Amino acid sequence: GQQLNQSPQSMFIQEGEDVSMNCTSSSIFNTWLWYKQDPGEGPVLLIALYKAGELTSNGRLTAQFGITRKDSFLNISASIPSDVGIYFCAGQLPLGSGTYKYIFGTGTRLKVLA
Amino acid sequence: DAGVTQSPTHLIKTRGQQVTLRCSPKSGHDTVSWYQQALGQGPQFIFQYYEEEERQRGNFPDRFSGHQFPNYSSELNVNALLLGDSALYLCASSLQGFHSNYGYTFGSGTRLTVV
Repeated sequence: GQQLNQSPQSMFIQEGEDVSMNCTSSSIFNTWLWYKQDPGEGPVLLIALYKAGELTSNGRLTAQFGITRKDSFLNISASIPSDVGIYFCAGQLPLGSGTYKYIFGTGTRLKVLA
Repeated sequence: DAGVTQSPTHLIKTRGQQVTLRCSPKSGHDTVSWYQQALGQGPQFIFQYYEEEERQRGNFPDRFSGHQFPNYSSELNVNALLLGDSALYLCASSLQGFHSNYGYTFGSGTRLTVV
């Protein structure tokens, strides 16, 4: 099935460092979302982006909707141990009648060293 | 306020068997979507149910079927299980017309292992 490309695939960082990851697609999306998944849990929505060029923050997280509408970026500032997990980007596709499905990325696995 | 609940949490089945997974959406939500997440991969869309009907289907064979009940809960059925069906099955609920604002709410998933 279709998946978006995320990079890096995984990363180890020191506590307090900033983290950057990105997501690219061959298709255009009008809405991008970023989710975090902890072990044994389902994904949890972090940030939603609705407009090309938009920059949105949620605490230490900042995400940007690429101008081409084919990419998105997520930054985490001053990482802490609880930031560990898998981060997924997702592009939204309309199904009609106000419903949508999501195409997910391949994930970026983040490990924070204390 | 209960979120999305899925049952069972873990399941082991033998090839060729049939399995039914269950999902109760978040209170106030009327739409249920099912995703399959293979190990090390992102979730893949299986299908979505609204008003007790399948709205759209991803690239999954007819062995995968579903149902939505009047109380909005949903079941995912998989027949003639294959080893490749081993995955985490995620249920996500939402309110029609509000997806673009809030995305989905996911359950914790059912881990299916086919041996």
